[in-house]
Amino acid sequence: SQQGEEDPQALSIQEGENATMNCSYKTSINNLQWYRQNSGRGLVHLILIRSNEREKHSGRLRVTLDTSKKSSSLLITASRAADTASYFCAPASGTYKYIFGTGTRLKVLA
Amino acid sequence: GAGVSQSPRYKVTKRGQDVTLRCDPISSHATLYWYQQALGQGPEFLTYFNYEAQPDKSGLPSDRFSAERPEGSISTLTIQRTEQRDSAMYRCASSLTSQGLDNEQFFGPGTRLTVL
Repeated sequence: SQQGEEDPQALSIQEGENATMNCSYKTSINNLQWYRQNSGRGLVHLILIRSNEREKHSGRLRVTLDTSKKSSSLLITASRAADTASYFCAPASGTYKYIFGTGTRLKVLA
Repeated sequence: GAGVSQSPRYKVTKRGQDVTLRCDPISSHATLYWYQQALGQGPEFLTYFNYEAQPDKSGLPSDRFSAERPEGSISTLTIQRTEQRDSAMYRCASSLTSQGLDNEQFFGPGTRLTVL
């Protein structure tokens, strides 16, 4: 099991701009998942990308995975105030055990 | 059920008391996880169940922490002789299985535990 490390730790952007956050990990993975956590609320699963995939889209979200660099990025396009949250990546090298990092705190200013 | 539910949502207790937290996973899900989340941190793995089996409890901080899932559905997390450092959000998650490529975990709203 391994921890994903998100970067940057905090990010402030204007509404309508794109937000990019990154995740690095250390060993080979089966898949990598991104989660969002709004202040005071639970974690919501955003997207899962498998190790044999390079890019995946879901609405305004785009996730890329570079297994050679052991990194993933999450792009949120045309951000909204409601996107303000903490974003966590969870790389899975075994099966069940996810170790979350400290996350990227995104603030979208209206 | 429609999603993962947890109860109580908030629990305030005095140091030394025992507390039991409950998790009701999605009904078709075999696997259930418990996490502890401190403020400003990501969730930390405590333990997990495959049905009623508990293959990994390596994340439980001490022997004061225990978890059960006797019938393979609802689970409880019990903390005995609570200490102030136990104050945290306790999150439960479930997934269809623990194996495979698509083991997405669905999280409950959490129980905020405060130990005075």
